[in-house]
Amino acid sequence: DAKTTQPPSMDCAEGRAANLPCNHSTISGNEYVYWYRQIHSQGPQYIIHGLKNNETNEMASLIITEDRKSSTLILPHATLRDTAVYYCIVRPLLETSGSRLTFGEGTQLTVNP
Amino acid sequence: DVKVTQSSRYLVKRTGEKVFLECVQDMDHENMFWYRQDPGLGLRLIYFSYDVKMKEKGDIPEGYSVSREKKERFSLILESASTNQTSMYLCASSSPGGFNYGYTFGSGTRLTVV
Repeated sequence: DAKTTQPPSMDCAEGRAANLPCNHSTISGNEYVYWYRQIHSQGPQYIIHGLKNNETNEMASLIITEDRKSSTLILPHATLRDTAVYYCIVRPLLETSGSRLTFGEGTQLTVNP
Repeated sequence: DVKVTQSSRYLVKRTGEKVFLECVQDMDHENMFWYRQDPGLGLRLIYFSYDVKMKEKGDIPEGYSVSREKKERFSLILESASTNQTSMYLCASSSPGGFNYGYTFGSGTRLTVV
């Protein structure tokens, strides 16, 4: 799997947009960008994924650059409950037998009141 | 709602004890995983299994073993617990041929070895 690089920490004011960057310059053509987050003392939770087009769901938006070498996860109106570690991962779309999900260090997002 | 259930939320064991961490999923997933998470080290893969009775070593298998006798259950075993195995343990599952966003994690077991 391609390696990703994320800033170790970010702060955001409650109610403002949180923009979390991720670099994945070695991404290959069949790899998608996935975002998970982990709230303190819980298991990681899937947020969103995308290939090359921008994606939006009820939790977040994902903006992928045209060359696919970087992406940004956007939480449009951050709340205190969005304080978590956010992981950016690049993986093929379909899971295969014997493959595995590995995580980097992620970005600790702290939403301040 | 699909679930991965870990048997204990908190566990305290003594050094040298044999420890079993249990994980059950109700999604009929073939793949199951055990991770441990430590401050500053992130999530590290211990073992995974892609079928009943099959297992593969992850990045840090030393001191651990696993058992997958039934598809829905994946057990992590600490043969002789040591203090450096104090950690948060997370179980996850996914399905081959399924989308990678199908990884589902349990809530974790915080193990303290004293």
